[in-house]
Amino acid sequence: DPKIIQKPKYLVAVTGSEKILICEQYLGHNAMYWYRQSAKKPLEFMFSYSYQKLMDNQTASSRFQPQSSKKNHLDLQITALKPDDSATYFCASSPRTLSGNTLYFGEGSRLIVV
Amino acid sequence: QQKVQQSPESLSVPEGGMASLNCTSSDRNFQYFWWYRQHSGEGPKALMSIFSDGDKKEGRFTAHLNKASLHVSLHIRDSQPSDSALYFCAASDPGTQVVGQLTFGRGTRLQVYA
Repeated sequence: DPKIIQKPKYLVAVTGSEKILICEQYLGHNAMYWYRQSAKKPLEFMFSYSYQKLMDNQTASSRFQPQSSKKNHLDLQITALKPDDSATYFCASSPRTLSGNTLYFGEGSRLIVV
Repeated sequence: QQKVQQSPESLSVPEGGMASLNCTSSDRNFQYFWWYRQHSGEGPKALMSIFSDGDKKEGRFTAHLNKASLHVSLHIRDSQPSDSALYFCAASDPGTQVVGQLTFGRGTRLQVYA
């Protein structure tokens, strides 16, 4: 059974619309992350959260907003969608945010913006 | 310039053969390295981490790190068709101000044929 659940697995959105990507982890980890994988770029770090607090944001655009309602939840709200936002978004977690920790990834949410 | 570069881009080996993947970093601050594997439609899964110079062996997988040359390699012996996947090298800087960031290479696509 997957320990990091991402929903939806696939979605198609219209330019200018808003979508929320859901992530729940059942590994008991305290740190959660969002990464993005597109055809043009390698896997890119977006956000890190620890104990539901934002630790780092490497996303240039404020259109991307992480939301953590519970310790094991980290959703990603994307507003004013653009075709360039088309990518697979991966949620990940680790026991702690120390740099030597291994990251565990979910199966991804593939977003296509038309 | 990519801070983590992988070679070759793609690799084809016979079943039972040895696959060798390479990764070079251009950032001397990267001290911790991981190899991840991603099967089609899935999220990346950590194969192994290596933080010290030398070899680290886990089953059929052996990683080698040379911090002086910023080079890490992965060798897969007795390759199986199930090893066919995209392999990523990832690195982190223990002193970074960005919490939880892994920098990924673009990946090597491995095909194991019968």
